Amino acid sequence: GQNIDQPTEMTATEGAIVQINCTYQTSGFNGLFWYQQHAGEAPTFLSYNVLDGLEEKGRFSSFLSRSKGYSYLLLKELQMKDSASYLCAGPFSGGYNKLIFGAGTRLAVHP
Amino acid sequence: DTAVSQTPKYLVTQMGNDKSIKCEQNLGHDTMYWYKQDSKKFLKIMFSYNNKELIINETVPNRFSPKSPDKAHLNLHINSLELGDSAVYFCASSQDGRGSNQDYGYTFGSGTRLTVV
Repeated sequence: GQNIDQPTEMTATEGAIVQINCTYQTSGFNGLFWYQQHAGEAPTFLSYNVLDGLEEKGRFSSFLSRSKGYSYLLLKELQMKDSASYLCAGPFSGGYNKLIFGAGTRLAVHP
Repeated sequence: DTAVSQTPKYLVTQMGNDKSIKCEQNLGHDTMYWYKQDSKKFLKIMFSYNNKELIINETVPNRFSPKSPDKAHLNLHINSLELGDSAVYFCASSQDGRGSNQDYGYTFGSGTRLTVV
């Protein structure tokens, strides 16, 4: 299947930590991407995981468990500017990448 | 300096009209894409070209016709526009359409908001 599931909305407080989960059933798994999209703007690349484990990049970290078909994006020390949609996406194998996106998680950060 | 540029940014047009959206990338990428983002913010692939060759053509009405004159350009022409075509259309590019590599992450254009009235 090609289903990528993530929560529709989340809220969090400035300075806190939030974890956005993503589960996938993409056949021919070939890595998992996270993108950030602010309202009215283009998606921008955040992270890519192809092996199990945690990848840390400053305030943002991404985790992958291939056996469980599960990933999460961890945002620390939340700032107001982190209010955005976070999109989980995975490519197919078969010769060409073709990113299939989840519906996105809209994160609202409150003071 | 813009990596992936698409024009126009906004497009308001009447039902039945024909319109085009242009996209250009200066990243030297081999593969370009058109995605549609509907009102529910769901990004769905429409077409993909690799070095001017069509490689992905999802179930899109044949009123939509992509054209790639060279690997740096991918345009989208839409005939007989319908109300349901209203959405944001994103162009994107990536280094190579084959295999799996972090470099294959997409760079998106800023989007074209199409409104059909």
